[in-house]
Amino acid sequence: KQEVTQIPAALSVPEGENLVLNCSFTDSAIYNLQWFRQDPGKGLTSLLLIQSSQREQTSGRLNASLDKSSGRSTLYIAASQPGDSATYLCAVRTDGSSNTGKLIFGQGTTLQVKP
Amino acid sequence: DAGVTQSPTHLIKTRGQQVTLRCSPKSGHDTVSWYQQALGQGPQFIFQYYEEEERQRGNFPDRFSGHQFPNYSSELNVNALLLGDSALYLCASSLRTARADTQYFGPGTRLTVL
Repeated sequence: KQEVTQIPAALSVPEGENLVLNCSFTDSAIYNLQWFRQDPGKGLTSLLLIQSSQREQTSGRLNASLDKSSGRSTLYIAASQPGDSATYLCAVRTDGSSNTGKLIFGQGTTLQVKP
Repeated sequence: DAGVTQSPTHLIKTRGQQVTLRCSPKSGHDTVSWYQQALGQGPQFIFQYYEEEERQRGNFPDRFSGHQFPNYSSELNVNALLLGDSALYLCASSLRTARADTQYFGPGTRLTVL
């Protein structure tokens, strides 16, 4: 059974700091991995999607890496800003036969960036 | 182009009641998935619909049921509500043939059971 774990559960950093969020999964047979952002009481916004054949994806100040063999992914945020404060969720999809596979989520890391 | 929409935004019910939540997928999408997110937790997969049938189901009791309509919109029904059903219910839509694409999430319905 696939399980996804995110550490730490919460993180508080001063503005401008570079930071890394961690995600681990127990079964390396994944189709892809995604990082989502969730603002309080809101829906999920997809940040980065890494296919199983890829090692990393970048979007602006965000960089996500994937190491399938070790069951790990990291989300790197450069030069953090107060607007980055949110909960970050990692999710894996194991079924790649079509775009209908369920997503299995971690519990999230709640980030606070202090001005 | 409207994204995924959900209604209502908030809902308060009492134990034992029944509730219906609604979702309209992003334009062009044919698959709808429902997730339950308890406070402080990650979303948990409830079930998924395409071609008007339930295709996959997570570990939820049969008090949770759903429906998909010919226009691809979907409903989630929960009977005999329990306090533990209080959560944010998220709908996600996707195009079944777009294998490498993501699922797009709606803003959610916050259900409170008293």
